[in-house]
Amino acid sequence: QQQVKQSPQSLIVQKGGISIINCAYENTAFDYFPWYQQFPGKGPALLIAIRPDVSEKKEGRFTISFNKSAKQFSLHIMDSQPGDSATYFCAASMSGTYKYIFGTGTRLKVLA
Amino acid sequence: AAGVIQSPRHLIKEKRETATLKCYPIPRHDTVYWYQQGPGQDPQFLISFYEKMQSDKGSIPDRFSAQQFSDYHSELNMSSLELGDSALYFCASSLGQGIHEQYFGPGTRLTVT
Repeated sequence: QQQVKQSPQSLIVQKGGISIINCAYENTAFDYFPWYQQFPGKGPALLIAIRPDVSEKKEGRFTISFNKSAKQFSLHIMDSQPGDSATYFCAASMSGTYKYIFGTGTRLKVLA
Repeated sequence: AAGVIQSPRHLIKEKRETATLKCYPIPRHDTVYWYQQGPGQDPQFLISFYEKMQSDKGSIPDRFSAQQFSDYHSELNMSSLELGDSALYFCASSLGQGIHEQYFGPGTRLTVT
């Protein structure tokens, strides 16, 4: 049972466009939601993270939108660039535990 | 900035052999996590340590064991290797109990033949 559901599985965006990746969770005890970027053969790199008391967080071209009532959160990549082509994972964790539950990943390709 | 160091980066073993993966966390980080990532899969949590004590356990096979040492580095020991153990193994570290930002290392690619 996938506790964090991520969509789409793959995404193709034109250079300069907006990439949107969505995640949904069931466990309301989750209180920390990070996004990771992973290039082939590399370790996941922390991009941006949010807690449920905030509805939106922006860092550069990356924005997380959080909808607590819907138990959904999404990553928006503005002005997408070919260098953003990677696999993106959302994740969730809860206070008192130490593990991340990852989504299934979205393979993003930005066309030049 | 210093990152998480993992060694070796690549490891090839035969079935039923043993393997030891090492992880050196970011300086001052006291929590270490191990994840396993199969081809095209999301990382799956195996086990974590805080201040040298096991803090959480996930889907880690009984054939695997891990520990964190006094200098905070960690080792994942894998015995009776199976073909299905072939995967990328990531170590991540964080600072403090309850702090959630985890920083991942480059991974060890284990191939079991």
